[in-house]
Amino acid sequence: AQSVSQHNHHVILSEAASLELGCNYSYGGTVNLFWYVQYPGQHLQLLLKYFSGDPLVKGIKGFEAEFIKSKFSFNLRKPSVQWSDTAEYFCAVNAGGTGGYNKLIFGAGTRLAVHP
Amino acid sequence: GAVVSQHPSRVICKSGTSVKIECRSLDFQATTMFWYRQFPKQSLMLMATSNEGSKATYEQGVEKDKFLINHASLTLSTLTVTSAHPEDSSFYICSAREQWWRGPTDTQYFGPGTRLTVL
Repeated sequence: AQSVSQHNHHVILSEAASLELGCNYSYGGTVNLFWYVQYPGQHLQLLLKYFSGDPLVKGIKGFEAEFIKSKFSFNLRKPSVQWSDTAEYFCAVNAGGTGGYNKLIFGAGTRLAVHP
Repeated sequence: GAVVSQHPSRVICKSGTSVKIECRSLDFQATTMFWYRQFPKQSLMLMATSNEGSKATYEQGVEKDKFLINHASLTLSTLTVTSAHPEDSSFYICSAREQWWRGPTDTQYFGPGTRLTVL
């Protein structure tokens, strides 16, 4: 069965620090990969997504992620975090490619707290 | 961007009653909608996949008769929690997926969620 692992459950950083959140998935075929963010009291928002092509994906708010197929990883990065990045981050995988009724498998989430 | 709304945002009901939650895609048509449940400090767990005009597909362990799903149009899906009990209290979130033939839009857009409290 497909699964998604997020290594860090809680991360605490100071402003301007660099961020990297790990995400690994288990599925041998074609995947679409996503990072979603949930700010306190708000709904899930799409940060970035990978379908195909350049494995380095740029998202909103300065976030990027790199798909490394050989490592089954899709880590999220940001060079310099801000207090407003405090949120919960979810990695998700849609296995089987586009079309059909493929479902998203979510990781457990990483709660990021950024201190001023 | 694509917007998904849910109504109500919060509902409190007595044990044994039924509660209906609506999920609407506001500016796009969604052939597929998904219903999730999120427990405190946990990830989203998919409950069912709702396809317009056909029966929903439920995940293992989710009671079909307990959680009734209807997807009557391309912009509306409803989840009815029947005979709710305190253990059904949770945060229910829907998402909508654009018609896939528009391109590689295998992205789900999420609603704001509905917090259900069963007394």
